[in-house]
Amino acid sequence: GQQLNQSPQSMFIQEGEDVSMNCTSSSIFNTWLWYKQDPGEGPVLLIALYKAGELTSNGRLTAQFGITRKDSFLNISASIPSDVGIYFCAGQPWSEKLVFGKGTKLTVNP
Amino acid sequence: EAQVTQNPRYLITVTGKKLTVTCSQNMNHEYMSWYRQDPGLGLRQIYYSMNVEVTDKGDVPEGYKVSRKEKRNFPLILESPSPNQTSLYFCASGAEQYFGPGTRLTVT
Repeated sequence: GQQLNQSPQSMFIQEGEDVSMNCTSSSIFNTWLWYKQDPGEGPVLLIALYKAGELTSNGRLTAQFGITRKDSFLNISASIPSDVGIYFCAGQPWSEKLVFGKGTKLTVNP
Repeated sequence: EAQVTQNPRYLITVTGKKLTVTCSQNMNHEYMSWYRQDPGLGLRQIYYSMNVEVTDKGDVPEGYKVSRKEKRNFPLILESPSPNQTSLYFCASGAEQYFGPGTRLTVT
């Protein structure tokens, strides 16, 4: 099946730093989604992207749908302790089901 | 409030004892699915349903069954659980996959 490469696998940062993570695929996707999972909880949808080149923000979070349709990026500005968690990307090829990345585990040191 | 609910949240059982994990959504979504999450393996889809009475295998369907008799409910059935099915399970609904809170299953 299709696979997404999500990187980095983990990040250890200081409070206040900016964070960047990305997902890449060998296939073209028509939708990119970004989720956050807090410990012991289900993933929560953060941002949805539907058009190549689209740049969407949700508070301190900004995500972009890559122009090649094969990648997407998530940036978090001025990180705070509650940003800790696992961030997942998911991509959807045309008329097919979502494919998930393996996640980026974020640790924020106060 | 729009939500996906799962029950139970935690379950410890023994090998071979049939169990059902329920999933319900109140968003009138046609698409629902089940995932398991294991360390280092990410989210893997077990089964999905495009609509009532329409179900199909995901990436790891062995040992699981599902049914979709009503739009809102999508139970996951383990007819004869084994220790390798110890995992964290999530139900999700909608094209953008809104997730439930998870069910942590331990099979001894």
